[in-house]
Amino acid sequence: AAGVIQSPRHLIKEKRETATLKCYPIPRHDTVYWYQQGPGQDPQFLISFYEKMQSDKGSIPDRFSAQQFSDYHSELNMSSLELGDSALYFCASSSDLGGTDSYEQYFGPGTRLTVT
Amino acid sequence: AQSVTQLDSQVPVFEEAPVELRCNYSSSVSVYLFWYVQYPNQGLQLLLKYLSGSTLVKGINGFEAEFNKSQTSFHLRKPSVHISDTAEYFCAVRATDSWGKLQFGAGTQVVVTP
Repeated sequence: AAGVIQSPRHLIKEKRETATLKCYPIPRHDTVYWYQQGPGQDPQFLISFYEKMQSDKGSIPDRFSAQQFSDYHSELNMSSLELGDSALYFCASSSDLGGTDSYEQYFGPGTRLTVT
Repeated sequence: AQSVTQLDSQVPVFEEAPVELRCNYSSSVSVYLFWYVQYPNQGLQLLLKYLSGSTLVKGINGFEAEFNKSQTSFHLRKPSVHISDTAEYFCAVRATDSWGKLQFGAGTQVVVTP
């Protein structure tokens, strides 16, 4: 079965640089979520999109922005990177249209961002 | 707002022994409850979920959890663990009236030894 695809899997950037993370949800999933997981920490919700519109916002820095495109893939743009941005960034997708997998979020493998 | 407390940061257990991971939550609104597992350097995989109905929920890999509304708990159990169950386990909640964001607990590291 198709899963959530994230690219790149690993990314190394220097401070003050910009990074773009991409997420391709499971086909026919209409909602995408972004989470940030720091070393040894639990995932923290950043932002979500439903049908290409921002649906919810969490603890996302103003330096970060995201959008969902017409093909439902999503991109997380991170500018003026700081050392503290080093983390695992997960994308998840879901579809709440009913069925046995309603309300389940399917997570991608994550993008490991290292800021040096 | 919701919060999730996982009462044990690490649980050592011998192979074929039972294990219980404790999760308590607080919320001013109704919630859905989830348990996820994360193997090293991998994403999160759903073990089971509670939406409504029977308070005993069975999931994948022999795991089950019981929802206790009065105690606001959702403890995860497995009667006999394998070495391959060594992983980080996260309890998570989602408000039923939300757009779906998950609030995770701090996680419980399960280490299974022979």
